[in-house]
Amino acid sequence: DVKVTQSSRYLVKRTGEKVFLECVQDMDHENMFWYRQDPGLGLRLIYFSYDVKMKEKGDIPEGYSVSREKKERFSLILESASTNQTSMYLCASTFTGRQETQYFGPGTRLLVL
Amino acid sequence: GNSVTQMEGPVTLSEEAFLTINCTYTATGYPSLFWYVQYPGEGLQLLLKATKADDKGSNKGFEATYRKETTSFHLEKGSVQVSDSAVYFCALLSTQGAQKLVFGQGTRLTINP
Repeated sequence: DVKVTQSSRYLVKRTGEKVFLECVQDMDHENMFWYRQDPGLGLRLIYFSYDVKMKEKGDIPEGYSVSREKKERFSLILESASTNQTSMYLCASTFTGRQETQYFGPGTRLLVL
Repeated sequence: GNSVTQMEGPVTLSEEAFLTINCTYTATGYPSLFWYVQYPGEGLQLLLKATKADDKGSNKGFEATYRKETTSFHLEKGSVQVSDSAVYFCALLSTQGAQKLVFGQGTRLTINP
């Protein structure tokens, strides 16, 4: 069974903290994605990665960075968390050329105080 | 640019009622269209898709027809069940430029017994 896991379901951090969100997939997918989900705004793409050590900015990359050192793992980093980064963060993965069939993790709900 | 607009939620229906969730899109070229569903506590999963005009996607009793003339992809189900309660996202995948999914804002559906 395909699986995308995220390191935490719920996370509470303080303003200014460095935050790491981890995502792991076991399907040998080349492509991985980070989205944030906000009420009334749907899913917005933050960053994506076509392969190990490769990354591309999505629609809202400001305030975020990513790391992809291994094929199965894609990390989202908030260098200095701010309250407007309180959100649900979703990771997804897929094979190259199969963008429509993205497999999603359960999400991490992040609260920044 | 590409965009997807869904009907405002939340939508509340009784079991066995008829469901329609409206979705319209703006895109260059001829995108592929999708409905994703997010059950409580889970990540998104692909519900159905259509890749060209007049195609009908269907799955689990849900249907949607790709209408190029009205740039729409409305989701329908003839008789909803309590287990259909979820958030539904309409999305498109552009066939031009970088292939990325663009999501609508999501529609929360609640079915009462």
